[in-house]
Amino acid sequence: AQSVAQPEDQVNVAEGNPLTVKCTYSVSGNPYLFWYVQYPNRGLQFLLKYITGDNLVKGSYGFEAEFNKSQTSFHLKKPSALVSDSALYFCAVSGGLAGNMLTFGGGTRLMVKP
Amino acid sequence: KAGVTQTPRYLIKTRGQQVTLSCSPISGHRSVSWYQQTPGQGLQFLFEYFSETQRNKGNFPGRFSGRQFSNSRSEMNVSTLELGDSALYLCASSLGVRDREYEQYFGPGTRLTVT
Repeated sequence: AQSVAQPEDQVNVAEGNPLTVKCTYSVSGNPYLFWYVQYPNRGLQFLLKYITGDNLVKGSYGFEAEFNKSQTSFHLKKPSALVSDSALYFCAVSGGLAGNMLTFGGGTRLMVKP
Repeated sequence: KAGVTQTPRYLIKTRGQQVTLSCSPISGHRSVSWYQQTPGQGLQFLFEYFSETQRNKGNFPGRFSGRQFSNSRSEMNVSTLELGDSALYLCASSLGVRDREYEQYFGPGTRLTVT
């Protein structure tokens, strides 16, 4: 079975500071990793994905994520946070025997304060 | 391209009733997946359809069912509603056959409240 853990329910950061949202995963075989963001009363918006290749993946809105196979982690990062980045962030994995099924972490609420 | 659309956006039903939710994927997308989002259980996979066939199924009771039409539009049905079925139901579509590599695009969801 595959699983995703987001150890922090909430991350607080000041505007302009770098941010990191943590994610670790467990999957058989090669992992396909995704980050999504959810704003209030909205569906999930795709941010970025890791399939293969470069361990640093760049995505939408200035976000990037670092894949670390030895630590089975896929942390989301941004060099300079904006107040408008405040939202709920989900890490997800697809792979192994689960086909197209996404397994999500519990989500991390990012609060960026002015 | 238009995004994934879901109807209705909000729904209130009574325990014991049944409900049908609809999803129209992005044009050209052949895979449609359904997820349930609740505060307690988070995001959970319900099922996935590809070319009118259920390809994957999550761990939900048989009261939850779905189908996909030839134009890739999908519906999910929940029969004999329970209070615990209150949730945001999200539909997602993706491109291609080797779908694990492709991101899924989500609709805005249908908020179901069971009273």
